[in-house]
Amino acid sequence: QSALTQPASVSGSPGQSITISCTGTSSDVGTYNLVSWYQQHPGKAPKLMIYEGSKRPSGVSNRFSGSKSGNTASLTISGLQAEDEADYYCCSSVGSSTLGVFGTGTKVTVL
Amino acid sequence: EVQLVQSGAEVKKPGESLKISCKGSGYTFTTYWIVWVRQMPGKGLEWMGIIYPGDSDTRYSPSFQGQVTISADKSISTAYLQWSSLKASDTAMYYCARLYGSYSNYWGQGTLVTVSS
Repeated sequence: QSALTQPASVSGSPGQSITISCTGTSSDVGTYNLVSWYQQHPGKAPKLMIYEGSKRPSGVSNRFSGSKSGNTASLTISGLQAEDEADYYCCSSVGSSTLGVFGTGTKVTVL
Repeated sequence: EVQLVQSGAEVKKPGESLKISCKGSGYTFTTYWIVWVRQMPGKGLEWMGIIYPGDSDTRYSPSFQGQVTISADKSISTAYLQWSSLKASDTAMYYCARLYGSYSNYWGQGTLVTVSS
């Protein structure tokens, strides 16, 4: 399966909102509401930020929210902060195989 | 506390074999899938494959089928990723993570594999 498509980079000023898109197909993103989002700071392991499309794990700021429309999932970061500068990856289940596929990754820069 | 602890960094030559490990603790190891994820230098995350330690059911992403072997020893709560003949292109950071449904809420610290002559 091919990687999900994300913009290579997104930037915003502190306090602004940004949205990262994640485009797949009807075989992955479009079929199930099982998209998850991960934040990765340089040299660190990924951290789960959103699961099952729009749910936040305990401890994740409510500035992070997820949604989906058709074959595209989105991650919105509101009230952008310096600590949000990182790489972000979406991930979707593929069919009913229990396998998954990651997005291409988006570098978020706080101006 | 759930933890996944991976084995240390490795430096190998092309053609050599390698087996890296991921030890789970703080939960029932046999009842959650473990996923292996590759991250090549400066690149994105790639889903390699998964194993269910309870019965060793293993599934590979098409790109990694035949390239690596995923296994587990449930008696010591450890999952493995191995190569029979490394290539320079296997140089990457490898992460294991516990899969809960469709997402991974616990990750190992990563194992850096460097393959160079």
